Amino acid sequence: QQQVKQSPQSLIVQKGGISIINCAYENTAFDYFPWYQQFPGKGPALLIAIRPDVSEKKEGRFTISFNKSAKQFSLHIMDSQPGDSATYFCAARSTGTYKYIFGTGTRLKVLA
Amino acid sequence: EPEVTQTPSHQVTQMGQEVILRCVPISNHLYFYWYRQILGQKVEFLVSFYNNEISEKSEIFDDQFSVERPDGSNFTLKIRSTKLEDSAMYFCASSGAPAGRAEAFFGQGTRLTVV
Repeated sequence: QQQVKQSPQSLIVQKGGISIINCAYENTAFDYFPWYQQFPGKGPALLIAIRPDVSEKKEGRFTISFNKSAKQFSLHIMDSQPGDSATYFCAARSTGTYKYIFGTGTRLKVLA
Repeated sequence: EPEVTQTPSHQVTQMGQEVILRCVPISNHLYFYWYRQILGQKVEFLVSFYNNEISEKSEIFDDQFSVERPDGSNFTLKIRSTKLEDSAMYFCASSGAPAGRAEAFFGQGTRLTVV
């Protein structure tokens, strides 16, 4: 129940295309859902985050869509660029805890 | 831009030896965390630390592990009697408020290799 399931494991997108990464969870106590971007040799960096009282959040080319009833959320990267090539992790935090539960990661490659 | 810094970047140790991984969190942050990432796997929570004590820990964080804030700037993770399966990337993170209320900033990681 503490898991966050992420798919796909890897994704190849043409430059200018839309990258979509999906996550699903079971624990209804999760109340904060960040997405992290990780480049090789670097630590995860916060990209965008959402709370369950909002169905969508957009920051530049990055959008989170959140479906509370389905317990699913997704990251959309519009106009994907080669510089977006990285590993993306969804995560969730449960109310009253200090920890993030991470998904298994999606390795995105954007072809020039 | 403020950042979390970790040393060393890579540590190789013999099985059974003790290692100390060091982190300098962002200066005005109060909450500190250790996570680890076994190669090719997901990032896993180890422990959170606030007000000089552990606020939460995972089942991974057993008696082999300990954390300390020995002075006002450093935050350390000690692994006693390392095992082969402790080989992983260890990330330190810090935040100005509890996770979820403020962004957690991650360091670049220490790659621990136990041989």
